[in-house]
Amino acid sequence: DIQMTQSPSSLSASLGDRVTISCRASQTINTYLNWYQQKPGKAPNLLIYAASTLQSGVPSRFSGSGSGTDFTLTITNLQPEDFATFYCQHTYSFPGTFGQGTKVEIK
Amino acid sequence: QITLKESGPTLVKPTQTLTLTCTFSGFSLSTTEVGVGWIRQPPGKALEWLALIYWDDDKRYSPSLNSRLTITKDTSKNQVVLTMTNMDPVDTATYYCAHSSRVDVSGYYRAFDYWGQGTLVTVSS
Repeated sequence: DIQMTQSPSSLSASLGDRVTISCRASQTINTYLNWYQQKPGKAPNLLIYAASTLQSGVPSRFSGSGSGTDFTLTITNLQPEDFATFYCQHTYSFPGTFGQGTKVEIK
Repeated sequence: QITLKESGPTLVKPTQTLTLTCTFSGFSLSTTEVGVGWIRQPPGKALEWLALIYWDDDKRYSPSLNSRLTITKDTSKNQVVLTMTNMDPVDTATYYCAHSSRVDVSGYYRAFDYWGQGTLVTVSS
């Protein structure tokens, strides 16, 4: 299996901040990388696919970058509704493993 | 409008077999490139990819759980069923089913773009 490692596991940020979350794959996955946001008690929601393409309806303050093994999710101008846990997932091969998650909390 | 909903027991005993049903609407599992997957999440922990079935009945399983999992589809009923044998307390989790499709115009990339609400399954004697 390809292992996905996210960092940090949690972070505290203030409204309006810029936040960066990293995701590293244990082997190259080209740009077969998705990002999901999950709020407490809810199912995950697809934010970004193909490493950098915003899913329809996702605010433009979210962006993704990277290829190969290293990827980044960036949130600019952090809003109250952005406080959640974020997961990366690869779809390069089966199983499409998820990272361990990064919880974004209010400072 | 695509919706999915998981159903099944909320409590199972160790060694029993779990059977979960995903009932969906708004799409057909006979449509090319469409799939339905199962993902679980133990309380307070990360998401774990379990299994995926495609429109053409291609089935994929997590290697670590392969011997315990079976995924099937009933296209006429718009349902996907996941069975997991020999349940253990460590299998306690919220189980989600999700719609899988090619999300980009070129058709190279897949994602789980619609999810059910999830169902919590507790394994305890």
